[in-house]
Amino acid sequence: SAVISQKPSRDICQRGTSLTIQCQVDSQVTMMFWYRQQPGQSLTLIATANQGSEATYESGFVIDKFPISRPNLTFSTLTVSNMSPEDSSIYLCSTRDREYSPLHFGNGTRLTVT
Amino acid sequence: QQPVQSPQAVILREGEDAVINCSSSKALYSVHWYRQKHGEAPVFLMILLKGGEQKGHEKISASFNEKKQQSSLYLTASQLSYSGTYFCGTAVSSNTGKLIFGQGTTLQVKP
Repeated sequence: SAVISQKPSRDICQRGTSLTIQCQVDSQVTMMFWYRQQPGQSLTLIATANQGSEATYESGFVIDKFPISRPNLTFSTLTVSNMSPEDSSIYLCSTRDREYSPLHFGNGTRLTVT
Repeated sequence: QQPVQSPQAVILREGEDAVINCSSSKALYSVHWYRQKHGEAPVFLMILLKGGEQKGHEKISASFNEKKQQSSLYLTASQLSYSGTYFCGTAVSSNTGKLIFGQGTTLQVKP
C-alpha cells in the first residue's frame, strides 16, 4: 500500500491567517481525498483532489476557503484560508489505488487556531 | 448522506463478542470498515462489495446486505488490541471512489 506523508504534522495558527498542508505519496495514485476530523468526531470529506483539474468539493466546503492543488499523481496540497477557531481540527490526506482498493490515510495535520 | 452506525459505544470484557452495524438510506456499491486508535490515523480492516459477500480477517468478519443497505462487523473473542473507534465508510458508486463515513462506534475492551 502507498506510504503517505503529510506536512506539517501539527501547527498553531493565528486567526485570519492561512496554512497549506502538503501530502506526498510514494507511488502514483489515481484517487486522492482530503478529510477533516474534529475532536471526537467522524471523518468528514472535504473534497476529491483531481489531477490536472479543479477539486470536487462536498456540500458545505468551498474552494475559496479550502483551495486544493494536485499537480501530479503523487502530490497534493490543501490550504485552510482565513482561519477561525472553528477550523481547529485534524486534516487527513487519503488515497485509493483503484476501484476495489482500500482507502489509506496519512498521519494527519493537527491544526489549532487561536 | 452519512451512514448510521449502532451502537455508539460498547464496553466488553476480553473474550466477549460484539457486533457493530452500519445502515445507509442510499443504495451502496461497497462498504469499508476501519479502526482508529486515539491519536492515530484510521486503519483499513476490510471491504465488502455488492453481493452479500462475507469477509473475514482473523477473528473479525463482516457481512453486507445490499438489499437492506446494511453492513455488520463481527468481533469474536475480543482482545485488548481491539479497543478503538470503528468507522464504516460507504461508497454509492464506483466512479468517484469517495467514501462517506458513519459517526463511529467506540469499543473498549477491558481485561
